[in-house]
Amino acid sequence: ETGVTQTPRHLVMGMTNKKSLKCEQHLGHNAMYWYKQSAKKPLELMFVYNFKEQTENNSVPSRFSPECPNSSHLFLHLHTLQPEDSALYLCASSQDGRVEGNTIYFGEGSWLTVV
Amino acid sequence: AQSVTQLDSQVPVFEEAPVELRCNYSSSVSVYLFWYVQYPNQGLQLLLKYLSGSTLVKGINGFEAEFNKSQTSFHLRKPSVHISDTAEYFCAVRDSGGSNYKLTFGKGTLLTVNP
Repeated sequence: ETGVTQTPRHLVMGMTNKKSLKCEQHLGHNAMYWYKQSAKKPLELMFVYNFKEQTENNSVPSRFSPECPNSSHLFLHLHTLQPEDSALYLCASSQDGRVEGNTIYFGEGSWLTVV
Repeated sequence: AQSVTQLDSQVPVFEEAPVELRCNYSSSVSVYLFWYVQYPNQGLQLLLKYLSGSTLVKGINGFEAEFNKSQTSFHLRKPSVHISDTAEYFCAVRDSGGSNYKLTFGKGTLLTVNP
C-alpha cells in the first residue's frame, strides 16, 4: 500500500485508440505529478498540478492530455500515441508542489505498450 | 539547469559485501538531494534525503549517504547488502530556493546482489 494508486497497471493500445490512466492518492496531498520512465533514460517529469492547477507542462506532446478534477485524482488521457510512447508512467504526489524539500511519493506505475 | 550523473549503470556485488553507488550533480544554486529505490515491478520509494544540517544522512534499510558540496556528490552506501537489496537506485536533485520544485533524476544504477 503506497498511498498512491494507479490503474490500470498494464495497458496495451493501438495507435488510433483513446485510453486513460488514472491515479488516486490517499495521503491528503495537494500536488500531483505524471512522470514517464523509459528504458535507459532518466525519469522525465511530464506534468505538475498544484491545488488542482496545472503548474508545469514539460513540453509534452498534445497526444497526452492531463486532467485533475480534485487534489486526490489525476488522469492522463491518451490519444493517437506512437510506439515510442511505450513506457512506464508514474504518478506521484507531495504535500505542496511549491515547498522545496517536500517528499514526493510515487505510485507503482502503469505499463503502457503502444502497438 | 540541474543535472544528475550516476556513474555506474550496473553494480554487481556479493551478499554481505559493502556497496557504494555514486551520484554527482551539477547546479548553479543550493540543492536538496534524494535517493529513491525501485524494486522490480514497483514504483519509486524514498530511501533518504538531504535538506540541510549534517552531511551524513541515514535512511531506511541500513542505507546512508554523504553530501559533499565541494565534490558535488551524494554517494549512497551500505556496509553489508542483502539479496533483497537488489533493485534500481535513483539519485535526484531539486533546487532549494525559488519556485523550481522539479526533481531531476539520474539514469539509475541497477544493484544486483548475488549469493
